[in-house]
Amino acid sequence: EAGVTQSPTHLIKTRGQQATLRCSPISGHTSVYWYQQALGLGLQFLLWYDEGEERNRGNFPPRFSGRQFPNYSSELNVNALELEDSALYLCASSLYSGGTKREQYFGPGTRLTVT
Amino acid sequence: GQQLNQSPQSMFIQEGEDVSMNCTSSSIFNTWLWYKQDPGEGPVLLIALYKAGELTSNGRLTAQFGITRKDSFLNISASIPSDVGIYFCAGRQTSGSRLTFGEGTQLTVNP
Repeated sequence: EAGVTQSPTHLIKTRGQQATLRCSPISGHTSVYWYQQALGLGLQFLLWYDEGEERNRGNFPPRFSGRQFPNYSSELNVNALELEDSALYLCASSLYSGGTKREQYFGPGTRLTVT
Repeated sequence: GQQLNQSPQSMFIQEGEDVSMNCTSSSIFNTWLWYKQDPGEGPVLLIALYKAGELTSNGRLTAQFGITRKDSFLNISASIPSDVGIYFCAGRQTSGSRLTFGEGTQLTVNP
């Protein structure tokens, strides 16, 4: 069974540009989560999508946005890039039914560098 | 925002030694998780804990869900070189919602 996949692996942008990151969840998973991992730091929750709807949002400005498509894949968009947006962006997927034991499984990440 | 305090930040040990790391919070969590991240990769789930007091093993790894629901620890026995990496604790307050992560423990194992 294929795991969570993310593209691109690396992305280099200049300040002020927009970045689009993509994620395909594990087959059968309906929830997609996005996390930011700045260098040397832990993971910070960005966004959670389930069944095409945004369910929860972390403490990030509105220029971080995303969406989930009918096939449950997801995009993360970062507008007006700033230098401090340079980080590893991780996508995770899970089953979601409101019950327990619906754990998140992570993709390899997209390394975004803003110059 | 919520934070998990994970310690130690780094550990340097000899192959064969046992390792212990822990995570504490000011908030109660319903689920505690432990992940391992290798360089350039995403975190991999090692152990999941769902009940206060629960003790769960996965090979040489053992983790416990604290009775107060505000802490968890991970033990690695008889460490080997491939145990090298960053270990993260994570907590979840309600099913299917966001995870709150600790800042990680960088483990180095000297052969």
